[in-house]
Amino acid sequence: GDSVTQMEGPVTLSEEAFLTINCTYTATGYPSLFWYVQYPGEGLQLLLKATKADDKGSNKGFEATYRKETTSFHLEKGSVQVSDSAVYFCALSDRSGGGSYIPTFGRGTSLIVHP
Amino acid sequence: EAQVTQNPRYLITVTGKKLTVTCSQNMNHEYMSWYRQDPGLGLRQIYYSMNVEVTDKGDVPEGYKVSRKEKRNFPLILESPSPNQTSLYFCASSSTFGGEQYFGPGTRLTVT
Repeated sequence: GDSVTQMEGPVTLSEEAFLTINCTYTATGYPSLFWYVQYPGEGLQLLLKATKADDKGSNKGFEATYRKETTSFHLEKGSVQVSDSAVYFCALSDRSGGGSYIPTFGRGTSLIVHP
Repeated sequence: EAQVTQNPRYLITVTGKKLTVTCSQNMNHEYMSWYRQDPGLGLRQIYYSMNVEVTDKGDVPEGYKVSRKEKRNFPLILESPSPNQTSLYFCASSSTFGGEQYFGPGTRLTVT
């Protein structure tokens, strides 16, 4: 079945540092890929997405590129802020419509940014 | 405001006492799901629904029931809760198959 593997945390950075959170996936079809962010005490919210190979999703300074050849969707940000401290989830969702609707999530990576 | 609401937000109960967690969305979405979040395990889908009266099992359905009598509501029912169902639960909805999901704020359930 489909699976998502993301780097374990916590990732601890100083403010203005460069961020990379690795995410790789396995899927039988051509999934859409997502990054969700969960701030303390809240539900998940969509950060960015990409629906086909070589698409780049971006939002709030975060970016991720759908790399079919390496089955990866790494999250990057050039300069993190304290307010970026949260848990980040990589996820995929099959778009074929012919099977079961079971989106797959990674285990989450906690990011802690110090002033 | 487009949103997914869940109630209650916090619940402490005892083993075997039936409970229901409600979920409602105001975006007219067809697809709805329930997840549980446990430390080190990420999110695991419990049940999902692709439309009214259409529900199916996710990855971890044992011990749970759902119903979808109206498009906006998707309650999660624990008929006989056990301590291993202590977890953080999220409801989510989506307008398209495989599209982005909108999550509720979560329900923290403790079963003693």
